[in-house]
Amino acid sequence: KAGVTQTPRYLIKTRGQQVTLSCSPISGHRSVSWYQQTPGQGLQFLFEYFSETQRNKGNFPGRFSGRQFSNSRSEMNVSTLELGDSALYLCASSLTGGKLTTNEKLFFGSGTQLSVL
Amino acid sequence: AQKITQTQPGMFVQEKEAVTLDCTYDTSDQSYGLFWYKQPSSGEMIFLIYQGSYDEQNATEGRYSLNFQKARKSANLVISASQLGDSAMYFCAMREALSGGYNKLIFGAGTRLAVHP
Repeated sequence: KAGVTQTPRYLIKTRGQQVTLSCSPISGHRSVSWYQQTPGQGLQFLFEYFSETQRNKGNFPGRFSGRQFSNSRSEMNVSTLELGDSALYLCASSLTGGKLTTNEKLFFGSGTQLSVL
Repeated sequence: AQKITQTQPGMFVQEKEAVTLDCTYDTSDQSYGLFWYKQPSSGEMIFLIYQGSYDEQNATEGRYSLNFQKARKSANLVISASQLGDSAMYFCAMREALSGGYNKLIFGAGTRLAVHP
């Protein structure tokens, strides 16, 4: 079974540009979450999608957006890039998103390393 | 709000020895779950082990075991017989409730483990 696939692996953009990152979840998984990882802030939740609906969003500005398609693939978009957006963006998939105490695992991709110059 | 604390920024261990990575957590929930993930230099977050708060026994997965002390709110990861391939960042995580009954993972700051031959 193929794992979570994220493309591209690396991106270099300049301030003010916009970027789109892609994530293909494990087949059969309907929940896709996005996390931002930086040395200073660690891992932070961006948003979660299930069946094409955003169920929750983390504390990020409106420049960060996403969507999910009918095949569960997801994209996230960052508009008007800032230097502070440089980070590793990780996508994770799971079957349902899990209830609070289930052991349903999140399976992560290798991430997209975004550098904003 | 929940919080995960990993107090060891870096650890090193000799190959074939055991190592314990510390994790303490703060939650007011009676029922919760704790996860450990490994992140090698490739960036992918790899699930290692899960412990539910009501599990009677400490979780084990191969060379990984969890020293769960509920009263102390600690969930330390024990890696037995360390291998060179265990060199990576290790993150402790738990689910945190969001609106609508959904949840996200919150992560500790991580511990970088170096295994020396």
